[in-house]
Amino acid sequence: DAKTTQPPSMDCAEGRAANLPCNHSTISGNEYVYWYRQIHSQGPQYIIHGLKNNETNEMASLIITEDRKSSTLILPHATLRDTAVYYCIVRVVSYGQNFVFGPGTRLSVLP
Amino acid sequence: GAVVSQHPSRVICKSGTSVKIECRSLDFQATTMFWYRQFPKQSLMLMATSNEGSKATYEQGVEKDKFLINHASLTLSTLTVTSAHPEDSSFYICSARDGGAGDTQYFGPGTRLTVL
Repeated sequence: DAKTTQPPSMDCAEGRAANLPCNHSTISGNEYVYWYRQIHSQGPQYIIHGLKNNETNEMASLIITEDRKSSTLILPHATLRDTAVYYCIVRVVSYGQNFVFGPGTRLSVLP
Repeated sequence: GAVVSQHPSRVICKSGTSVKIECRSLDFQATTMFWYRQFPKQSLMLMATSNEGSKATYEQGVEKDKFLINHASLTLSTLTVTSAHPEDSSFYICSARDGGAGDTQYFGPGTRLTVL
């Protein structure tokens, strides 16, 4: 699976959009981009995933660049409850394989 | 989304005792479940892959005789920490793949184990 690079930490004002970047310059054509987050002392929570096209759900939007070498997770109106560690993971669809978690980005939403 | 539960959420035990942690997929069937361990301020580390009806696959450095995994049904996997010691104190998290949702995996809320 391709390696990802994320900033270790970010701050965001409550009510503003939080834009979390992820670089995956070695991504291959059959690898998806997944985003999870982990709120303190809880298990990771699935947010969104995509292959080529931008994706949106009730939690967030995922913007993938045309060359697929980077992506951005957007939380449109961050709340204090969005404070968490956000993990960007790229991987092929492989039903017997686990997810490999890097250090992620610690997002702090400030009042 | 799919829901995965874990029980207990927190356990404190004496050194030398065994502790069983249950992981259940509540609204989907999971042929594969994963067990992770997370130490403070670190990321999740895979311990083992649990396949329904077959033996678990352990990651290098994880003792299979110490961390017993049973995946007897499509909705339940158990992790038993045998003869627990203080160094086994950690946050244990399971995940399950929802076969009806591609490769997306859903994680349980975790179990905090403290060995005295």
